[in-house]
Amino acid sequence: DQQVKQNSPSLSVQEGRISILNCDYTNSMFDYFLWYKKYPAEGPTFLISISSIKDKNEDGRFTVFLNKSAKHLSLHIVPSQPGDSAVYFCAVRFDGMRFGAGTRLTVKP
Amino acid sequence: DAGVIQSPRHEVTEMGQEVTLRCKPISGHDYLFWYRQTMMRGLELLIYFNNNVPIDDSGMPEDRFSAKMPNASFSTLKIQPSEPRDSAVYFCASSLRRNTEAFFGQGTRLTVV
Repeated sequence: DQQVKQNSPSLSVQEGRISILNCDYTNSMFDYFLWYKKYPAEGPTFLISISSIKDKNEDGRFTVFLNKSAKHLSLHIVPSQPGDSAVYFCAVRFDGMRFGAGTRLTVKP
Repeated sequence: DAGVIQSPRHEVTEMGQEVTLRCKPISGHDYLFWYRQTMMRGLELLIYFNNNVPIDDSGMPEDRFSAKMPNASFSTLKIQPSEPRDSAVYFCASSLRRNTEAFFGQGTRLTVV
């Protein structure tokens, strides 16, 4: 069962522009949401998180938005840099932690 | 802290052999997770532990897979007998408590021939 969905396998943006990555989840009981970044041959690296009591969390160039009624979260990267090129995973914590399929972001110079 | 440590980094084995993957979580972390990453299925949660106790092993694909956590600083994932379709990257991760981020190891790339 796909409890966490990332419907865009890939995204390409120009350096300096905004990258928006999207994620949908099915269970309204999930209360903690995370984004991870992954480079080839490495483990996923934590990027940013948000609790269900908030609708926005910001850390430098990265902002996560949570829309509980739509069961949707998004990650905004502004401005995008070539070093941001990686696979991005959203995840939900319930006690364990489940991941979406990932979105490959390519930032072109 | 050195982070989550997994060994070996690479493992090549023949079909039918037993394979044991090892993980040392970050000291003080209460949760430990095992994941498998494949092209087809992405990052699958296999099993997770809380305070060394297995909480949910519903992601373990078959009885050939087993996991243990004998103490707070060590966990193993065993496949016996191994099959070519078990070839994947296996990740271990740990987190301090429930609603916190988890930190991942570098992974073990398993190839079963």
